[in-house]
Amino acid sequence: DVQLQESGPGLVKPSQSLSLTCTVTGYSITSDYAWNWIRQFPGNKLEWMGYISYSGSTSYNPSLKSRISITRDTSKNQFFLQLNSVTTEDTATYYCARQPLRLRYFDVWGAGTTVTVSS
Amino acid sequence: DIVLTQSPASLAVSLGQRATISCRASESVDSYGNSFMHWYQQKPGQPPKLLIYRASNLESGIPARFSGSGSRTDFTLTINPVEADDVATYYCQQSNEDPYTFGGGTKLEIK
Repeated sequence: DVQLQESGPGLVKPSQSLSLTCTVTGYSITSDYAWNWIRQFPGNKLEWMGYISYSGSTSYNPSLKSRISITRDTSKNQFFLQLNSVTTEDTATYYCARQPLRLRYFDVWGAGTTVTVSS
Repeated sequence: DIVLTQSPASLAVSLGQRATISCRASESVDSYGNSFMHWYQQKPGQPPKLLIYRASNLESGIPARFSGSGSRTDFTLTINPVEADDVATYYCQQSNEDPYTFGGGTKLEIK
């Protein structure tokens, strides 16, 4: 079975960069699908952040476009989220999720990791 | 961005009865004969779980008590009959246009 697991710092200072890793097991990230980052704010609002596809192409939410980067390490079967210039508004639980590229729903999710932005 | 409005925000249903959750999109989410509207269930401390994809297709392993319907801008998730394990928050999500967006959620409780 495919599994996704997020990891990274739980606390980030304002104006710094947030960096998270999603480790995928049971499926190669180069074999179809898009690999997404989604976050859930306190109060439970969900926001799609962006994805990197099996081919390495990326798509980002325009609301984040100037601050976000999603990359990957195919040798480790991992993909990464970098979000620059964070503020307290970026405090959220961050999920990675798999998406059938053309069908565009999220069929497998990681457990999530909570990131707090605070000085 | 396409705005998804769910109603009600919360509902309480007796065990064995029907629960109906609505999701209205600010513009059509249909393309190429498909409705790119999906439904998720989220329990506390867990990630969302896919229930229904493309409006009416039941995800593998999901009980047939869950069903979805609708097209263009109006969609419905139905749970019938409701069981105790269905206590959760339910979200709709559209993927017809970037950026993908989610509804605000509907919290289901047992009466």
